[in-house]
Amino acid sequence: GQSLEQPSEVTAVEGAIVQINCTYQTSGFYGLSWYQQHDGGAPTFLSYNALDGLEETGRFSSFLSRSDSYGYLLLQELQMKDSASYFCAVRDGLTGGGNKLTFGTGTQLKVEL
Amino acid sequence: GAGVSQSPSNKVTEKGKDVELRCDPISGHTALYWYRQSLGQGLEFLIYFQGNSAPDKSGLPSDRFSAERTGGSVSTLTIQRTQQEDSAVYLCASSRRGTRNGNTLHFGNGTRLTVT
Repeated sequence: GQSLEQPSEVTAVEGAIVQINCTYQTSGFYGLSWYQQHDGGAPTFLSYNALDGLEETGRFSSFLSRSDSYGYLLLQELQMKDSASYFCAVRDGLTGGGNKLTFGTGTQLKVEL
Repeated sequence: GAGVSQSPSNKVTEKGKDVELRCDPISGHTALYWYRQSLGQGLEFLIYFQGNSAPDKSGLPSDRFSAERTGGSVSTLTIQRTQQEDSAVYLCASSRRGTRNGNTLHFGNGTRLTVT
């Protein structure tokens, strides 16, 4: 099976940098993704890593180390609107054709003034 | 362009009734997924379709749950004899083919189901 672990909650101040970690256990691996979900809203795609290293998309970056089964999402220049839940997700590729994404339990980020 | 559309947005039903939830994916997206999210919780995988076939139904909680997809487009999730523990937000998502695309899910706004 698959399991993902994330911190349940992170608090940071506006303008700061915050890192949300994700460790995973999976029988196969075809990528680590990150999604953002505001209260009452739909999850939206942020970033994807298939290979080791850093992917940068504006203020958001995501990192992957396959040998450590570990990744993180880095948010820079935090803004109040970044307050949301952040989910990591893995695609294991061995179940039913490989398109199933398993999500972590989510990290609630609170940005304070 | 149009995103993933789900209906109804809210559904209140009595315990024991059947409900149907509808998902209209983004045009051209071959993969369609159903997830369930309880209040303050993560996303629980239910089922996914590639075209009209469902290679993975492993997440369906019981035989009261079923789903179908027709014409490679619209999908319906049916819950029979609803129970209070079925209360949750049911999210549908779609994606294109391909390794990167398969990791990029586009979600609808969900159907909030309340079983009284």
